[in-house]
Amino acid sequence: AQKVTQAQTEISVVEKEDVTLDCVYETRDTTYYLFWYKQPPSGELVFLIRRNSFDEQNEISGRYSWNFQKSTSSFNFTITASQVVDSAVYFCALRAQGAQKLVFGQGTRLTINP
Amino acid sequence: NAGVTQTPKFRILKIGQSMTLQCAQDMNHNYMYWYRQDPGMGLKLIYYSVGAGITDKGEVPNGYNVSRSTTEDFPLRLELAAPSQTSVYFCASSYPGAEQYFGPGTRLTVT
Repeated sequence: AQKVTQAQTEISVVEKEDVTLDCVYETRDTTYYLFWYKQPPSGELVFLIRRNSFDEQNEISGRYSWNFQKSTSSFNFTITASQVVDSAVYFCALRAQGAQKLVFGQGTRLTINP
Repeated sequence: NAGVTQTPKFRILKIGQSMTLQCAQDMNHNYMYWYRQDPGMGLKLIYYSVGAGITDKGEVPNGYNVSRSTTEDFPLRLELAAPSQTSVYFCASSYPGAEQYFGPGTRLTVT
């Protein structure tokens, strides 16, 4: 069975602080894909990143960075110099190769205070 | 491109009523999906389709039906609505094996 755990239900920080959102996953598949999605207060889901299980290279996109470690089954997301517009619920998700279903974590509600 | 569009945005149903949630995409994606998101939870897959004329059940299909007559459209039908179907419904689409792009959601309340 596949499972995604986002242990941090809510995080609140002051603007310009760095913040890391944790994601731990479980799967027996050797090939799989990991995703992060952002759900702002308006409610839509915005795709942020996809990572293949065979590519452990970390990714940086502007103020966003992702750290993938197969040894600890983690795919953590860091926002550097956070801004109020980063306030949202962030979801980590997992999909096995050949499967259609995205398995979502329960989400982390991030609040950036001015 | 409009991406993935959903109608309506909001709907209130009485118990036992039926309705169809509409979903359309203009990205020529083969794959389309319906998810539901309950309060404070992640999304769960209801049904999906890998192409016109092909549909299959996801995790939570009971109480729902789908059809896929065209590549662009993937409506979700609720028959005999129940309070347990109160949720936010998201439609998504993708190329095979690629990331899924989501519509804005439909907030449904059954009372």
